[in-house]
Amino acid sequence: QKEVEQNSGPLSVPEGAIASLNCTYSDRVSQSFFWYRQYSGKSPELIMSIYSNGDKEDGRFTAQLNKASQYVSLLIRDSQPSDSATYLCAVMDNNTDKLIFGTGTRLQVFP
Amino acid sequence: DADVTQTPRNRITKTGKRIMLECSQTKGHDRMYWYRQDPGLGLRLIYYSFDVKDINKGEISDGYSVSRQAQAKFSLSLESAIPNQTALYFCATSDLQAPYGYTFGSGTRLTVV
Repeated sequence: QKEVEQNSGPLSVPEGAIASLNCTYSDRVSQSFFWYRQYSGKSPELIMSIYSNGDKEDGRFTAQLNKASQYVSLLIRDSQPSDSATYLCAVMDNNTDKLIFGTGTRLQVFP
Repeated sequence: DADVTQTPRNRITKTGKRIMLECSQTKGHDRMYWYRQDPGLGLRLIYYSFDVKDINKGEISDGYSVSRQAQAKFSLSLESAIPNQTALYFCATSDLQAPYGYTFGSGTRLTVV
């Protein structure tokens, strides 16, 4: 069974700090990776996608991918209380053509 | 208008009742999915459809059925609702191989009493 693992948290960071969220996956041949943000009771919202090793930046968000070590991470710079949410990591399973989701990491940003 | 619309947004139903949750999309995507989410358990796939004539069970299909009425419409039915089907239900859509991930609907909060 292919897996995507995340620490459930909560990860608590002060406002203005960098939040670092991590995800590991079991399928070595995965090619596509996604980060979703989900506010309580709301639907997941795609915030980042990454396909190549290295870093990809979009505003305050940076996704990092290391295929050799099978991990993908999300950095949130200058964290704001509005970033408080659960962050879901998702990995494309090339055999089934479906996304495999982690259970999410809850982030709390305190003022 | 939302790209992926789910109705109803909230529903309270009694044990044993049949209930249908509906999903429609304007994304033009061929692939549609139904998930349920429970606290601490993440998203669990109930059923998925890669095109109108293709319906597949997910990891937790028991007690559920689906109908793909058109490319844009995918309905989830609970034949005889039970309390442990109380959850948040999401519909999602994607292109082939989901190069841009999935697009989720706003969800249906279902309570079975």
